[in-house]
Amino acid sequence: KQEVTQIPAALSVPEGENLVLNCSFTDSAIYNLQWFRQDPGKGLTSLLLIQSSQREQTSGRLNASLDKSSGRSTLYIAASQPGDSATYLCAVGTASKLTFGTGTRLQVTL
Amino acid sequence: GAGVSQSPSNKVTEKGKDVELRCDPISGHTALYWYRQSLGQGLEFLIYFQGNSAPDKSGLPSDRFSAERTGGSVSTLTIQRTQQEDSAVYLCASSHGGGKAGELFFGEGSRLTVL
Repeated sequence: KQEVTQIPAALSVPEGENLVLNCSFTDSAIYNLQWFRQDPGKGLTSLLLIQSSQREQTSGRLNASLDKSSGRSTLYIAASQPGDSATYLCAVGTASKLTFGTGTRLQVTL
Repeated sequence: GAGVSQSPSNKVTEKGKDVELRCDPISGHTALYWYRQSLGQGLEFLIYFQGNSAPDKSGLPSDRFSAERTGGSVSTLTIQRTQQEDSAVYLCASSHGGGKAGELFFGEGSRLTVL
């Protein structure tokens, strides 16, 4: 059974800092890995999708990497802003579904 | 529509009543998923549709839960004889891909409260 772990569970940083969120998974037989953000009381917004054959994807200030063999992914956020405050979720894709981690709650302070 | 639409956004019901939750996926998306998010918990997979069929319904917690999809579009999740532990946010997602979990796009969710 696939298990996805995200560390840290919560993180508070001052505005402008670069930060890294970590995701690990137990079964490397995945099709893809997706990072989402979730604002309080809202649904999930897709940030980045990495196919299993890829090693990284970039979108603006976000960069996600994937090391499938070691079961790890990182989400790098450059020059953090208060608007980045949210819960970040990592999910690994198999044939029929995504399996989610429990998320990292990020707060960026002024 | 432009995104995944879910209704109702909020539902309060009494224990023992039946509820129906609706999901309108992004037009043209063949794959549709239902997830549940309980307070302080991660997202729990419920069921996956490819077209109108459900190749994976392994996450449905009991036989009180059922879902259908018609016309390869709208899906309804039905919970019969609701219990307090059914209280959660029910999230629907759709994806263009078939056979593999492609990029998923989520709706805003339906918050269910069972009194």
